[in-house]
Amino acid sequence: DTGVSQDPRHKITKRGQNVTFRCDPISEHNRLYWYRQTLGQGPEFLTYFQNEAQLEKSRLLSDRFSAERPKGSFSTLEIQRTEQGDSAMYLCASSLGGRDTEAFFGQGTRLTVV
Amino acid sequence: AQSVTQLDSHVSVSEGTPVLLRCNYSSSYSPSLFWYVQHPNKGLQLLLKYTSAATLVKGINGFEAEFKKSETSFHLTKPSAHMSDAAEYFCVVSRDGNQFYFGTGTSLTVIP
Repeated sequence: DTGVSQDPRHKITKRGQNVTFRCDPISEHNRLYWYRQTLGQGPEFLTYFQNEAQLEKSRLLSDRFSAERPKGSFSTLEIQRTEQGDSAMYLCASSLGGRDTEAFFGQGTRLTVV
Repeated sequence: AQSVTQLDSHVSVSEGTPVLLRCNYSSSYSPSLFWYVQHPNKGLQLLLKYTSAATLVKGINGFEAEFKKSETSFHLTKPSAHMSDAAEYFCVVSRDGNQFYFGTGTSLTVIP
């Protein structure tokens, strides 16, 4: 296993369009996280899954954002009606879960909304 | 509630001199603490983690960090900086792996 992979690596979209990102976690990891990182800031938590169940969503996550993890494997993050403020790096991470376990991050999807 | 504060947004050191990146944490519970590094156009990589087994934690590439409960600190150090250490460093706190709370980052510059 080569780690967490994200697709696409880069996405340019026009304002108002919908976009979808995919994350494939490390295969034995049951937890999957989505983060957003803007320039000069640390990653901000968006949501996380335990297997297929979405257990927590940040209040930062507007109703234009939705995430799924069908069958507890890969996950998708969809942004509807994109806005310029959505431009950021979207990071996915996975972990075994539980105390003292670290998260392994993908290289991210850089979204630019024009 | 949990949070971390990275006390310096930028640190500049000469090659071969010590590195100190400062982090204070706030946690209602006994936290797990981590340092991650992010090189330009690369993903976040774990440097080290504190999990209550030992207060002095050794990580990769010669980095280490000391957990000081009385000072609520988890500073990252390295005895001798290399050019390849130039990157963004993040201090992270977690409780039970439910969320990982990141600091705002410290940009390390290494001067030849």
